Amino acid sequence: GIQVEQSPPDLILQEGANSTLRCNFSDSVNNLQWFHQNPWGQLINLFYIPSGTKQNGRLSATTVATERYSLLYISSSQTTDSGVYFCAVERKGYGGSQGNLIFGKGTKLSVKP
Amino acid sequence: DGGITQSPKYLFRKEGQNVTLSCEQNLNHDAMYWYRQDPGQGLRLIYYSQIVNDFQKGDIAEGYSVSREKKESFPLTVTSAQKNPTAFYLCASSIINQGNEQYFGPGTRLTVT
Repeated sequence: GIQVEQSPPDLILQEGANSTLRCNFSDSVNNLQWFHQNPWGQLINLFYIPSGTKQNGRLSATTVATERYSLLYISSSQTTDSGVYFCAVERKGYGGSQGNLIFGKGTKLSVKP
Repeated sequence: DGGITQSPKYLFRKEGQNVTLSCEQNLNHDAMYWYRQDPGQGLRLIYYSQIVNDFQKGDIAEGYSVSREKKESFPLTVTSAQKNPTAFYLCASSIINQGNEQYFGPGTRLTVT
């Protein structure tokens, strides 16, 4: 099956620093989503980005589908950015499997004041 | 307010007992999903449903059962056959024909002793 690898697994930043998180996937996908899991476990949608570049405030994401990777950029990090960032891909559908997400193991980000 | 609700937030059960986790959405989404998360891991798909009265097994369906009698509701039963039921369970929903972007509920932490 499709593999999703995220790097780095852990990241410690000083408040105000910038960072780049990477997601590699092993096969063609329909869609890709980035999530932030807060300390209470809630998954927050950050980007729905099957290809191209999107920006939302201090966060932006780029997916290069032909090269099977996506990047999440966090600029001017804040302590509230701490948590786990997940990349998830929707495997190419056949029959009823459309919509199923395959998750990476996440990048745990800690932002220190 | 539209959204996905899961109850209860925390659940404790004795080994050998079945337990049912609730998931309700008022987003008018077609598809609903159940995922399991273990510590330090990404999410894994248990079951999904794209239409009322129909559902499909995901990657780790053994020991679980679901029903989809109403569009808004997709309860998950963790049976005594599930060997390692202690985990964080997350429910999600999406609109299939509008890109399948998934949105998640707050989760239920199940502890079985």
